[in-house]
Amino acid sequence: SAVISQKPSRDICQRGTSLTIQCQVDSQVTMMFWYRQQPGQSLTLIATANQGSEATYESGFVIDKFPISRPNLTFSTLTVSNMSPEDSSIYLCSVASGSFYEQYFGPGTRLTVT
Amino acid sequence: DQQVKQNSPSLSVQEGRISILNCDYTNSMFDYFLWYKKYPAEGPTFLISISSIKDKNEDGRFTVFLNKSAKHLSLHIVPSQPGDSAVYFCAASGDNTGKLIFGQGTTLQVKP
Repeated sequence: SAVISQKPSRDICQRGTSLTIQCQVDSQVTMMFWYRQQPGQSLTLIATANQGSEATYESGFVIDKFPISRPNLTFSTLTVSNMSPEDSSIYLCSVASGSFYEQYFGPGTRLTVT
Repeated sequence: DQQVKQNSPSLSVQEGRISILNCDYTNSMFDYFLWYKKYPAEGPTFLISISSIKDKNEDGRFTVFLNKSAKHLSLHIVPSQPGDSAVYFCAASGDNTGKLIFGQGTTLQVKP
């Protein structure tokens, strides 16, 4: 399976600011996804990061709040914009290659908004 | 509307015994199911999966059973080891987009 890294691993941010999370994979992958895990909750898909085109967002998530870039087949970024305490979550990227069902996750970014 | 449900928030078993984690789903269009294990401060780790055309898939100590008529799947861990202590998530997919719908997770504790 691919080795996935995320930066930063954690951050504490002030309300109203933005944070960009990076996801780097050690090999080219077909698909990359961004998930959120709110405290005590399950994982929820935010969007599919498409290489060379706009991300595909799930219901309840919008590009203005969570802009995503994917400039190549090994890298993606997720920005959490104009943060509020409700954005405090673990943000995870995942990748799939071949069988897109079997996704492999990065270690996550723990975000706390004060 | 929670399409994937894990009704047991926690499970405790003795080392060497069987652990059975359960998962129910409501969407009959789901055709692929997966189990993930998550340790604190780490991302979920893929464990095992099963396609809807099968009713059982085995990988070492881990076996997943699928009962389509009941819309129910279970993960069996035999024998359970203390290192298996983690949160287990089941997930389902069915629209050919790669989107996974996760359950709430079950915290497994294996006691030495």
